[in-house]
Amino acid sequence: EAQVTQNPRYLITVTGKKLTVTCSQNMNHEYMSWYRQDPGLGLRQIYYSMNVEVTDKGDVPEGYKVSRKEKRNFPLILESPSPNQTSLYFCASSAIPGLKGYEQYFGPGTRLTVT
Amino acid sequence: GNSVTQMEGPVTLSEEAFLTINCTYTATGYPSLFWYVQYPGEGLQLLLKATKADDKGSNKGFEATYRKETTSFHLEKGSVQVSDSAVYFCALITNYGKLTFGQGTILTVHP
Repeated sequence: EAQVTQNPRYLITVTGKKLTVTCSQNMNHEYMSWYRQDPGLGLRQIYYSMNVEVTDKGDVPEGYKVSRKEKRNFPLILESPSPNQTSLYFCASSAIPGLKGYEQYFGPGTRLTVT
Repeated sequence: GNSVTQMEGPVTLSEEAFLTINCTYTATGYPSLFWYVQYPGEGLQLLLKATKADDKGSNKGFEATYRKETTSFHLEKGSVQVSDSAVYFCALITNYGKLTFGQGTILTVHP
């Protein structure tokens, strides 16, 4: 089954404790991306990757890191989480967006709470 | 930069009512436009899309037409059902790969 998986689905942590949210897709997609969803703000793009070893900042990259060492995986790293990073996070993948109209497939989301 | 503006919600309708959710955009170049739907507790799913001016996307009774002259992509459905209750997001993407979403519109349909 074609899918994007994220782990963990729920995470409660404390300020400053480094964490990683994993994302994996099995569709051989070139493009992967991370978003955060906050009430009244919709989804905002954190980072995206057009292919392996190529990543770029989205709209809200501060406080986050990503890496794309393999095509299927795109982990999101919070080196020193703060309470304002409490949010619902989604990973997504698609074929290269330059080929117009390609759908983004979203993972089920990771609800992160930083106390 | 690119931006997407959706009508303020929440929207509450009775079953079989007509639905319109407005969406306008600002973008450089020639974006593709999307409507995504998010059911409670789930991730986003593509509802419909349009890749060039005057294209009409349609799915599950929903429709939206890419209007370049008014930079709009309004979502419509002739007769909503309780099962359509969800959050709807308008979005655009350019060839550069950056996806921009609107703030989302909560739709609640009552029997």
